Amino acid sequence: GAVVSQHPSRVICKSGTSVKIECRSLDFQATTMFWYRQFPKKSLMLMATSNEGSKATYEQGVEKDKFLINHASLTLSTLTVTSAHPEDSSFYICSARARGVWDNQPQHFGDGTRLSIL
Amino acid sequence: SQQGEEDPQALSIQEGENATMNCSYKTSINNLQWYRQNSGRGLVHLILIRSNEREKHSGRLRVTLDTSKKSSSLLITASRAADTASYFCATVSGGSNYKLTFGKGTLLTVNP
Repeated sequence: GAVVSQHPSRVICKSGTSVKIECRSLDFQATTMFWYRQFPKKSLMLMATSNEGSKATYEQGVEKDKFLINHASLTLSTLTVTSAHPEDSSFYICSARARGVWDNQPQHFGDGTRLSIL
Repeated sequence: SQQGEEDPQALSIQEGENATMNCSYKTSINNLQWYRQNSGRGLVHLILIRSNEREKHSGRLRVTLDTSKKSSSLLITASRAADTASYFCATVSGGSNYKLTFGKGTLLTVNP
């Protein structure tokens, strides 16, 4: 149980393109989803926390107009990288918390999206 | 900001040996979690230890937590080549909206 599906797994596109990444909880309802960015051989950096039906909370230094997050349902959150440039190339990973669980529960992660901007 | 700091950054061992990774953190926590990441993949949850627990086991995994020293260790016994991966500790602090703060990770290589 507790499967998170992230799509696409890999994107290669031209500079200036906007790219949408989907994160779906397949067998549970996720009131909160998290978006991370990971550079090669580095740790995960939290970009934003997404709560269903409300605006995302962005971490300091993350441009909310650049990285648009929508959490329209209890099973889907999307991250759109607008007007992507080569410096946006990275590995983006989402995770989800199940509805109703308390602090002492793990997050469930998607398999990540490798974004390459040419 | 980074909270957990794993030590060592990289570890190479032979199959059958034990692997120990350490994690230190700076603020008080609700729980500490260990995750594994295979190259180019997402994270897999391994074990969660609460702030009032000192030791936890799961299969070949043993996690300890010392809140007085703000540190944790992950021991993998009888390692296998399939254990090759990066291992991250992550903490959850009170009032954090359940946010995970990750350490820098340890790259474990188990040689057959």
